[in-house]
Amino acid sequence: SAVISQKPSRDICQRGTSLTIQCQVDSQVTMMFWYRQQPGQSLTLIATANQGSEATYESGFVIDKFPISRPNLTFSTLTVSNMSPEDSSIYLCSVAGLRNQETQYFGPGTRLLVL
Amino acid sequence: SQQGEEDPQALSIQEGENATMNCSYKTSINNLQWYRQNSGRGLVHLILIRSNEREKHSGRLRVTLDTSKKSSSLLITASRAADTASYFCATDPGGSNYKLTFGKGTLLTVNP
Repeated sequence: SAVISQKPSRDICQRGTSLTIQCQVDSQVTMMFWYRQQPGQSLTLIATANQGSEATYESGFVIDKFPISRPNLTFSTLTVSNMSPEDSSIYLCSVAGLRNQETQYFGPGTRLLVL
Repeated sequence: SQQGEEDPQALSIQEGENATMNCSYKTSINNLQWYRQNSGRGLVHLILIRSNEREKHSGRLRVTLDTSKKSSSLLITASRAADTASYFCATDPGGSNYKLTFGKGTLLTVNP
Protein backbone atom coordinates (compact mmCIF):
# COMPACT_ATOMS: atom_id res chain seq x y z
CA SER A 1 0.00 0.00 0.00
CA ALA A 2 0.95 3.68 0.01
CA VAL A 3 0.82 6.36 2.68
CA ILE A 4 -0.84 9.49 1.34
CA SER A 5 -1.15 12.79 3.13
CA GLN A 6 -3.15 15.85 2.22
CA LYS A 7 -2.87 19.43 3.36
CA PRO A 8 -4.88 21.17 4.60
CA SER A 9 -7.21 18.65 6.23
CA ARG A 10 -9.96 21.26 6.28
CA ASP A 11 -10.48 24.93 5.55
CA ILE A 12 -13.13 27.58 5.56
CA CYS A 13 -12.78 30.08 2.74
CA GLN A 14 -14.51 33.16 1.47
CA ARG A 15 -16.14 33.17 -1.93
CA GLY A 16 -13.97 34.49 -4.70
CA THR A 17 -10.73 33.24 -3.16
CA SER A 18 -8.63 30.23 -4.17
CA LEU A 19 -7.29 27.30 -2.19
CA THR A 20 -4.44 24.97 -3.09
CA ILE A 21 -4.56 21.43 -1.75
CA GLN A 22 -1.41 19.36 -1.55
CA CYS A 23 -1.12 15.61 -1.90
CA GLN A 24 2.08 13.82 -0.89
CA VAL A 25 2.77 10.11 -1.41
CA ASP A 26 5.48 8.12 0.31
CA SER A 27 6.49 6.29 -2.86
CA GLN A 28 6.73 7.02 -6.54
CA VAL A 29 3.48 6.37 -8.37
CA THR A 30 2.48 6.65 -11.97
CA MET A 31 -1.17 7.53 -11.62
CA MET A 32 -2.59 10.21 -9.35
CA PHE A 33 -6.18 11.32 -9.34
CA TRP A 34 -8.23 14.11 -7.82
CA TYR A 35 -11.84 13.55 -6.79
CA ARG A 36 -14.60 15.73 -5.45
CA GLN A 37 -17.20 14.45 -3.04
CA GLN A 38 -20.09 16.82 -2.50
CA PRO A 39 -22.04 16.56 0.77
CA GLY A 40 -23.81 13.23 1.03
CA GLN A 41 -22.74 12.23 -2.46
CA SER A 42 -20.37 9.80 -4.09
CA LEU A 43 -16.97 10.55 -5.57
CA THR A 44 -16.63 12.29 -8.91
CA LEU A 45 -13.33 12.22 -10.72
CA ILE A 46 -12.03 15.70 -11.48
CA ALA A 47 -8.85 14.85 -13.34
CA THR A 48 -5.87 12.59 -13.71
CA ALA A 49 -2.66 14.34 -12.68
CA ASN A 50 0.01 13.48 -15.20
CA GLN A 51 3.66 13.85 -14.26
CA GLY A 52 5.43 16.22 -16.59
CA SER A 53 2.40 17.13 -18.64
CA GLU A 54 -0.98 18.80 -18.33
CA ALA A 55 -3.67 17.05 -16.31
CA THR A 56 -6.47 15.20 -18.08
CA TYR A 57 -9.82 16.60 -17.03
CA GLU A 58 -13.15 14.83 -16.93
CA SER A 59 -16.28 16.20 -18.49
CA GLY A 60 -17.58 19.16 -16.52
CA PHE A 61 -14.22 20.14 -15.05
CA VAL A 62 -11.85 22.69 -16.57
CA ILE A 63 -8.28 23.71 -15.96
CA ASP A 64 -9.12 27.34 -15.24
CA LYS A 65 -11.28 26.31 -12.31
CA PHE A 66 -9.19 23.38 -11.06
CA PRO A 67 -5.55 23.86 -12.07
CA ILE A 68 -3.41 20.86 -11.17
CA SER A 69 0.32 20.48 -10.85
CA ARG A 70 2.33 17.27 -10.79
CA PRO A 71 5.99 18.24 -10.56
CA ASN A 72 7.22 14.74 -9.69
CA LEU A 73 6.06 11.19 -9.01
CA THR A 74 5.27 11.74 -5.32
CA PHE A 75 3.50 15.09 -5.21
CA SER A 76 0.54 16.91 -6.72
CA THR A 77 -1.54 19.98 -6.01
CA LEU A 78 -5.12 20.87 -6.85
CA THR A 79 -6.25 24.48 -6.75
CA VAL A 80 -9.90 25.38 -6.41
CA SER A 81 -10.13 28.81 -8.00
CA ASN A 82 -12.58 31.64 -7.56
CA MET A 83 -14.57 29.60 -5.08
CA SER A 84 -18.29 29.71 -4.56
CA PRO A 85 -20.42 27.92 -1.93
CA GLU A 86 -21.10 25.21 -4.52
CA ASP A 87 -17.43 24.23 -4.25
CA SER A 88 -17.95 23.14 -0.64
CA SER A 89 -16.94 19.50 -0.77
CA ILE A 90 -14.38 16.98 0.30
CA TYR A 91 -11.48 16.82 -2.13
CA LEU A 92 -9.55 13.57 -2.25
CA CYS A 93 -6.42 12.53 -4.01
CA SER A 94 -5.67 8.93 -4.82
CA VAL A 95 -2.93 6.90 -6.45
CA ALA A 96 -2.96 3.73 -8.50
CA GLY A 97 -0.58 1.51 -10.37
CA LEU A 98 1.52 0.49 -7.41
CA ARG A 99 3.14 -2.79 -8.36
CA ASN A 100 0.86 -2.66 -11.43
CA GLN A 101 -2.19 -3.15 -9.24
CA GLU A 102 -5.55 -1.59 -10.09
CA THR A 103 -6.30 -0.78 -6.47
CA GLN A 104 -6.52 2.91 -5.64
CA TYR A 105 -5.20 4.28 -2.37
CA PHE A 106 -6.76 7.44 -1.04
CA GLY A 107 -5.59 10.35 0.99
CA PRO A 108 -7.61 11.40 4.05
CA GLY A 109 -9.32 14.18 2.14
CA THR A 110 -9.59 17.96 2.46
CA ARG A 111 -12.90 19.22 3.74
CA LEU A 112 -13.65 22.62 2.22
CA LEU A 113 -16.40 24.99 3.25
CA VAL A 114 -16.93 28.11 1.18
CA LEU A 115 -18.93 30.92 2.74
CA SER B 1 -23.54 9.60 -15.10
CA GLN B 2 -22.48 7.23 -12.38
CA GLN B 3 -21.54 3.77 -13.55
CA GLY B 4 -22.45 1.99 -10.34
CA GLU B 5 -25.69 2.17 -8.45
CA GLU B 6 -25.81 0.70 -4.99
CA ASP B 7 -28.82 -0.43 -3.09
CA PRO B 8 -29.99 0.02 -0.55
CA GLN B 9 -28.98 3.65 -0.04
CA ALA B 10 -29.04 3.08 3.69
CA LEU B 11 -29.05 -0.06 5.82
CA SER B 12 -29.40 -0.34 9.58
CA ILE B 13 -28.77 -3.64 11.34
CA GLN B 14 -27.88 -5.03 14.75
CA GLU B 15 -24.42 -6.19 15.69
CA GLY B 16 -23.90 -9.82 14.75
CA GLU B 17 -26.26 -9.71 11.79
CA ASN B 18 -25.15 -9.96 8.18
CA ALA B 19 -25.26 -6.98 5.85
CA THR B 20 -25.74 -7.28 2.10
CA MET B 21 -25.21 -4.41 -0.31
CA ASN B 22 -25.78 -4.56 -4.04
CA CYS B 23 -24.23 -2.74 -6.95
CA SER B 24 -25.38 -2.54 -10.55
CA TYR B 25 -23.43 -1.10 -13.44
CA LYS B 26 -24.03 -0.34 -17.09
CA THR B 27 -21.01 -1.05 -19.27
CA SER B 28 -18.42 -3.78 -19.52
CA ILE B 29 -15.74 -3.90 -16.86
CA ASN B 30 -12.29 -5.30 -16.25
CA ASN B 31 -12.81 -5.42 -12.51
CA LEU B 32 -15.11 -4.14 -9.79
CA GLN B 33 -13.87 -2.88 -6.45
CA TRP B 34 -15.48 -2.17 -3.10
CA TYR B 35 -14.36 0.63 -0.82
CA ARG B 36 -15.32 1.78 2.67
CA GLN B 37 -15.45 5.36 3.88
CA ASN B 38 -15.74 6.33 7.52
CA SER B 39 -17.38 9.66 8.31
CA GLY B 40 -16.38 11.52 5.16
CA ARG B 41 -12.73 10.58 5.39
CA GLY B 42 -10.52 8.86 2.85
CA LEU B 43 -11.63 5.64 1.24
CA VAL B 44 -10.19 2.28 2.16
CA HIS B 45 -9.98 -0.47 -0.43
CA LEU B 46 -11.76 -3.65 0.65
CA ILE B 47 -11.71 -6.11 -2.19
CA LEU B 48 -11.31 -6.37 -5.96
CA ILE B 49 -13.06 -8.92 -8.13
CA ARG B 50 -12.14 -9.42 -11.76
CA SER B 51 -14.60 -9.88 -14.59
CA ASN B 52 -13.69 -13.56 -14.93
CA GLU B 53 -14.32 -14.26 -11.23
CA ARG B 54 -17.70 -15.04 -9.70
CA GLU B 55 -16.97 -14.93 -5.99
CA LYS B 56 -14.23 -13.75 -3.69
CA HIS B 57 -13.70 -13.83 0.06
CA SER B 58 -11.62 -11.73 2.41
CA GLY B 59 -12.13 -12.30 6.12
CA ARG B 60 -15.77 -11.46 6.90
CA LEU B 61 -16.31 -10.08 3.40
CA ARG B 62 -17.79 -11.99 0.51
CA VAL B 63 -18.17 -10.43 -2.91
CA THR B 64 -20.02 -11.88 -5.86
CA LEU B 65 -20.04 -10.71 -9.45
CA ASP B 66 -22.55 -11.55 -12.15
CA THR B 67 -21.38 -10.01 -15.40
CA SER B 68 -24.45 -11.23 -17.27
CA LYS B 69 -26.63 -9.14 -14.96
CA LYS B 70 -23.99 -6.44 -14.53
CA SER B 71 -24.29 -6.65 -10.78
CA SER B 72 -22.23 -7.33 -7.70
CA SER B 73 -22.98 -7.85 -4.04
CA LEU B 74 -20.97 -7.30 -0.90
CA LEU B 75 -21.80 -9.41 2.14
CA ILE B 76 -20.40 -8.55 5.55
CA THR B 77 -20.94 -11.38 7.99
CA ALA B 78 -21.20 -11.10 11.77
CA SER B 79 -21.23 -7.31 11.60
CA ARG B 80 -19.65 -5.11 14.27
CA ALA B 81 -20.31 -1.55 15.30
CA ALA B 82 -16.95 -0.66 13.76
CA ASP B 83 -18.33 -1.68 10.35
CA THR B 84 -20.52 1.43 10.42
CA ALA B 85 -19.47 3.35 7.30
CA SER B 86 -20.41 4.15 3.73
CA TYR B 87 -19.62 1.44 1.20
CA PHE B 88 -19.00 2.20 -2.47
CA CYS B 89 -18.57 0.00 -5.47
CA ALA B 90 -16.31 1.23 -8.25
CA THR B 91 -15.90 -0.11 -11.74
CA ASP B 92 -12.72 -0.25 -13.79
CA PRO B 93 -13.25 -0.58 -17.55
CA GLY B 94 -9.68 -1.75 -18.07
CA GLY B 95 -6.81 -0.27 -20.02
CA SER B 96 -3.76 1.32 -18.50
CA ASN B 97 -5.27 4.42 -16.94
CA TYR B 98 -6.72 2.78 -13.78
CA LYS B 99 -9.68 5.16 -13.78
CA LEU B 100 -12.59 4.20 -11.55
CA THR B 101 -16.23 5.21 -11.65
CA PHE B 102 -17.91 5.15 -8.25
CA GLY B 103 -21.47 4.30 -7.36
CA LYS B 104 -23.63 6.33 -5.03
CA GLY B 105 -22.85 4.23 -1.98
CA THR B 106 -24.68 2.49 0.84
CA LEU B 107 -24.62 3.94 4.33
CA LEU B 108 -24.41 1.02 6.74
CA THR B 109 -25.20 1.54 10.41
CA VAL B 110 -24.48 -1.31 12.78
CA ASN B 111 -26.18 -0.81 16.13
CA PRO B 112 -24.49 -2.25 19.23
